Amino acid sequence: GIQVEQSPPDLILQEGANSTLRCNFSDSVNNLQWFHQNPWGQLINLFYIPSGTKQNGRLSATTVATERYSLLYISSSQTTDSGVYFCAVEPLSGSARQLTFGSGTQLTVLP
Amino acid sequence: DTAVSQTPKYLVTQMGNDKSIKCEQNLGHDTMYWYKQDSKKFLKIMFSYNNKELIINETVPNRFSPKSPDKAHLNLHINSLELGDSAVYFCASSPNRGRIGNQPQHFGDGTRLSIL
Repeated sequence: GIQVEQSPPDLILQEGANSTLRCNFSDSVNNLQWFHQNPWGQLINLFYIPSGTKQNGRLSATTVATERYSLLYISSSQTTDSGVYFCAVEPLSGSARQLTFGSGTQLTVLP
Repeated sequence: DTAVSQTPKYLVTQMGNDKSIKCEQNLGHDTMYWYKQDSKKFLKIMFSYNNKELIINETVPNRFSPKSPDKAHLNLHINSLELGDSAVYFCASSPNRGRIGNQPQHFGDGTRLSIL
């Protein structure tokens, strides 16, 4: 099946810093989503971005589908950004829709 | 007006018991899913139902039985609970691929199951 690798696995930032999270995938995708799992365990859907670039406030994401990677940018980080960030992809091949998740990036923003 | 709702949010029970987790979506989606997040936070698909029919059944023990009474509901029943079943279970839903263009999956808030 499709492989999804996220880097870095852990990231510690000072409040106000910027960061880039990366997601590499091994096959063409029909869907790519970025999630933030907050300290309460909820999976918050940040972006649906199978290709192109999107921005939402301090967050933006870019997916280069031809090169099989996606980047999540967090600018001016805040302590509330802490949590685990997941990339999940749905392969283009196959008729059934299912997401394969990466192992996540644990982000800690220090005050 | 929660899009995907799961109940209960927390479930603490003893080994050997049988329990159910319910999921409902009000988005009009055709496909519903169960994902499991283990203690290392790894998320993996368990089941997928499309219009009440089982589409995906990953390598899940047959103690786990999903039931879809209609396309807005997908419940998960677990028999003879074991310690290793302790995890967070997420329900999700999506439209069919290509029906109205590619659309994201929407997730519930999760059910944290703890086996004593």
